[in-house]
Amino acid sequence: LVLTQSPSASASRGASVKLTCTLSSGHNTYVIAWHQQQPEKAPRFLMKVNSDGSHIKGDGIPDRFSGSSSGAERYLTISSLQSEDEADYYCQSWDTGIQMFGGGTKVTVL
Amino acid sequence: EVQLVESGGGLVQPGGSLRLSCSASGFTYSSYWMHWVRQAPGKGLVWVSRIKSDGSSRTYADSVRGRFTISRDNAKNTLFLQMNSLRAEDTAVYYCARETSGSFYFDYWGLGTLVTVSS
Repeated sequence: LVLTQSPSASASRGASVKLTCTLSSGHNTYVIAWHQQQPEKAPRFLMKVNSDGSHIKGDGIPDRFSGSSSGAERYLTISSLQSEDEADYYCQSWDTGIQMFGGGTKVTVL
Repeated sequence: EVQLVESGGGLVQPGGSLRLSCSASGFTYSSYWMHWVRQAPGKGLVWVSRIKSDGSSRTYADSVRGRFTISRDNAKNTLFLQMNSLRAEDTAVYYCARETSGSFYFDYWGLGTLVTVSS
């Protein structure tokens, strides 16, 4: 299992950005989780995203964060971007007891 | 409120040892699998190890197997990571994380503790 993320993304304040986590071949039914890491802070769980696109958010996560899926891709959409959304975003999944992370996407708010 | 607080990090010479702790509160600690994840400076998150709720099962990443040992004390709500034969590439912030009940993802993270391996 390999999780692939684009290294960077950017959008203007108030706009939307959609991040992608791509699961390697043969793993398109896997569940993933999204985590946010603001600069110099610990990661924070955002949500779990299932293969059907349904998602469960963590405590206190704003409505402007949403998840979806299509095939082997899992998405995190951030609407109405705010300055505090500038952060690294990691997807996480697991296979036979081993946890793994994507390389992370750095989101810049313009 | 769930809280995870790591401690025990510091500067250690190559080949040395260090023991990290993670103090848990705000939940029934003995019911959850717990993990260690690390992040080298400027790099991404890397999973290190996990331990079952009752301590009966442990799994390690290839990079630390044979050198690191994960353990827990459910009476004291504390998770440990004993790190031996440390190398420069073990330099990182180490986070403990709770695995959500019934699934396999992390729903809470600690604040992290920095381990620096250098002569």
